[in-house]
Amino acid sequence: DTAVSQTPKYLVTQMGNDKSIKCEQNLGHDTMYWYKQDSKKFLKIMFSYNNKELIINETVPNRFSPKSPDKAHLNLHINSLELGDSAVYFCASNPGGILASTDTQYFGPGTRLTVL
Amino acid sequence: SQQGEEDPQALSIQEGENATMNCSYKTSINNLQWYRQNSGRGLVHLILIRSNEREKHSGRLRVTLDTSKKSSSLLITASRAADTASYFCATEAYAGGTSYGKLTFGQGTILTVHP
Repeated sequence: DTAVSQTPKYLVTQMGNDKSIKCEQNLGHDTMYWYKQDSKKFLKIMFSYNNKELIINETVPNRFSPKSPDKAHLNLHINSLELGDSAVYFCASNPGGILASTDTQYFGPGTRLTVL
Repeated sequence: SQQGEEDPQALSIQEGENATMNCSYKTSINNLQWYRQNSGRGLVHLILIRSNEREKHSGRLRVTLDTSKKSSSLLITASRAADTASYFCATEAYAGGTSYGKLTFGQGTILTVHP
């Protein structure tokens, strides 16, 4: 069984559209993350949720809105897509809670978003 | 500025040789982790070394950490063609006891192992 899964794997869309990427983990972890990897492979954290509560919110445009319906799911909704949003988006999870030192992060396979 | 910068940016070796990658960072850390990313795939955790550790081994991997120099190295011994991938270091900054598991990644070293 896949530990951290993301859908879709590929997403091609026009500028101005709104799209969502879904992430699910079946590891029972408390903390989930969204990362963005640009064309130069630079990986940067965007958001983190611990048990449905937002705990990390990096400097990300308001067009990006994460939503965690339960602790096993963390979705990313992007409004008014721009060319610069083209990247690979990775979801990850971590067993640690807010006060726990981080441990291994388990990454999903990524969603390659292309904005035309 | 970016925490976790890696050196070299690319490394090309023959199978059987050892590969060494270095990572430097700027702030105090709780731990440093190394991840591997195969082309078109997600990241896979390799090894974690805590700030009070100096060296750690896992199979053919050896990681060292020098907190006084704010640097770490990853050594892969007896490399194989299957080790071809990008390797990233990631640091969790020390936040006075409260950790949100925020990792800051370097830009990675692209390792190519020729058969």
